[in-house]
Amino acid sequence: ETGVTQSPTHLIKTRGQQVTLRCSSQSGHNTVSWYQQALGQGPQFIFQYYREEENGRGNFPPRFSGLQFPNYSSELNVNALELDDSALYLCASSLDNRGAGEQFFGPGTRLTVL
Amino acid sequence: GNSVTQMEGPVTLSEEAFLTINCTYTATGYPSLFWYVQYPGEGLQLLLKATKADDKGSNKGFEATYRKETTSFHLEKGSVQVSDSAVYFCALTRRDDKIIFGKGTRLHILP
Repeated sequence: ETGVTQSPTHLIKTRGQQVTLRCSSQSGHNTVSWYQQALGQGPQFIFQYYREEENGRGNFPPRFSGLQFPNYSSELNVNALELDDSALYLCASSLDNRGAGEQFFGPGTRLTVL
Repeated sequence: GNSVTQMEGPVTLSEEAFLTINCTYTATGYPSLFWYVQYPGEGLQLLLKATKADDKGSNKGFEATYRKETTSFHLEKGSVQVSDSAVYFCALTRRDDKIIFGKGTRLHILP
């Protein structure tokens, strides 16, 4: 059973650019959630995908968007990058979108915006 | 709205000392409560959880009890080790499965 993987591990972009981050969920999991963790802060919920549909969104602007594919892997896209987007982006997978299901986190992608 | 408040760090202890990291929450209804741990250079790992009042979660010598009357979920360990050095996050979730995290507490254990 493979765990949650994310790519790339590190990324450097400049303001105004666009970025795509990728996540492969744990085998058998159909729900993927994305979180942004700024330095010294706890993770903040961006959005969740369940069976390829967005299933909840946090307080992030529309330039943060996502996709989930039939194999339940997922992408996070961020357009018009800003300096404050520099953070660790975490992906978490779980089985079903209900209840206190345990979420399994990937190692994250460290994004630096210059 | 729902929120989690945990004690600020860093917390520095000697090996074999007793650990308490305080966590309180604000939530409507009956959330599930969690402690996650983030070791240096690694992703978040679930340490323990409790899903209803008076439940005690435990793992690797760590314990936390869901106290609804005080809206608390304090993390404790009787004897810490150098390998426990990490950042600890208290968190809650409601039925929508979105996790709300505290800001984290960095723990340093000195040999």
